[in-house]
Amino acid sequence: AQKVTQAQTEISVVEKEDVTLDCVYETRDTTYYLFWYKQPPSGELVFLIRRNSFDEQNEISGRYSWNFQKSTSSFNFTITASQVVDSAVYFCALSEAAMGSQGNLIFGKGTKLSVKP
Amino acid sequence: ETGVTQSPTHLIKTRGQQVTLRCSSQSGHNTVSWYQQALGQGPQFIFQYYREEENGRGNFPPRFSGLQFPNYSSELNVNALELDDSALYLCASSLLTSSSTDTQYFGPGTRLTVL
Repeated sequence: AQKVTQAQTEISVVEKEDVTLDCVYETRDTTYYLFWYKQPPSGELVFLIRRNSFDEQNEISGRYSWNFQKSTSSFNFTITASQVVDSAVYFCALSEAAMGSQGNLIFGKGTKLSVKP
Repeated sequence: ETGVTQSPTHLIKTRGQQVTLRCSSQSGHNTVSWYQQALGQGPQFIFQYYREEENGRGNFPPRFSGLQFPNYSSELNVNALELDDSALYLCASSLLTSSSTDTQYFGPGTRLTVL
């Protein structure tokens, strides 16, 4: 069965600190996709990144970076020099890659990040 | 903004009633997925529609049903509402092709409260 675990329920940091959000996944598929979404208080899920299971290169986008390690089934997300606007709930999600089917997303329970000024 | 819209924003119903939620896809997308997000939880997949037919379903009872229209907009219908149906309902649109799984882009959600 597929599963996503985000062990950190809540994290609180002070502005400009770096913070890493952990994500561990389980799947028996060899081809799959991993995602991170941000959910601000307004409720809309904002897409941040998608990785496929064959691409283990780490990615950096501005203050955001992602570390994908198949050996440990982890896909961690780091925010460098956090800002108050980063305060939100962050979800990690997993999707199988089935031909002819838009694989449904399996979400973790989310990590609530609070960045204090 | 994703271009995915949902209506209404908020809704209050009583137990046993029926409700219809609506979603308009992002331009160029042909697939709509619906998710239920209970308070403090991650979204859970309800079902997906592609070419006006159900193309996958999560662990939800038949009283959750849907439609997709030729313009790719969609409706989620819930009959015989129960208190546990109170949640944020999220719609996501994407482009499904024969060779790829695309990213799902979400709308702002409809918050349903069942009293």
